[in-house]
Amino acid sequence: GDSVTQMEGPVTLSEEAFLTINCTYTATGYPSLFWYVQYPGEGLQLLLKATKADDKGSNKGFEATYRKETTSFHLEKGSVQVSDSAVYFCALINTGTASKLTFGTGTRLQVTL
Amino acid sequence: KAGVTQTPRYLIKTRGQQVTLSCSPISGHRSVSWYQQTPGQGLQFLFEYFSETQRNKGNFPGRFSGRQFSNSRSEMNVSTLELGDSALYLCASSLDPPGQETQYFGPGTRLLVL
Repeated sequence: GDSVTQMEGPVTLSEEAFLTINCTYTATGYPSLFWYVQYPGEGLQLLLKATKADDKGSNKGFEATYRKETTSFHLEKGSVQVSDSAVYFCALINTGTASKLTFGTGTRLQVTL
Repeated sequence: KAGVTQTPRYLIKTRGQQVTLSCSPISGHRSVSWYQQTPGQGLQFLFEYFSETQRNKGNFPGRFSGRQFSNSRSEMNVSTLELGDSALYLCASSLDPPGQETQYFGPGTRLLVL
């Protein structure tokens, strides 16, 4: 079945550091890929998405490129802020299981001054 | 446009009781999905409703059920609660049956079973 693998956290960075959170997936067909963010005590917010190979999703300085050849969708940001501290989830939705989002385990990011 | 709303936000129940959670989707969205989030199992898909019909179901026991009303609002019910049902229950809505469409999440209902 479909699966998403994320790098283990927590990731601790100083403000203005470069961020990479790795995400790889296993799926049949042509899934759409997503990054969601969860702040403490809240639900999930869509951060960015990509629906086909080589698409780049971007939002609020975060970027991720859909790489079919490496089945990856790594999240990057050039300069993190304390306010970026949250848990980040990589997810996919497959046309074969149309309504089901499959999530990774989440990566907690802690940004310090 | 208002986002997805869920009520109640917090709930405490005891083992053996039942609970009903409510979700109001974004206006115009007809698909509603439910997820359970726990520290041990992460985010797991419960079920999805579209036009009052259950279209997809995850691997949960029959104690977990749901329904959708004609205005797209949805409820999920858990009967005979167990301690392991303590979780954050998240509802998500999308414009159409979510294939390529994005799912937008509500703030969740945090259920504690004692």
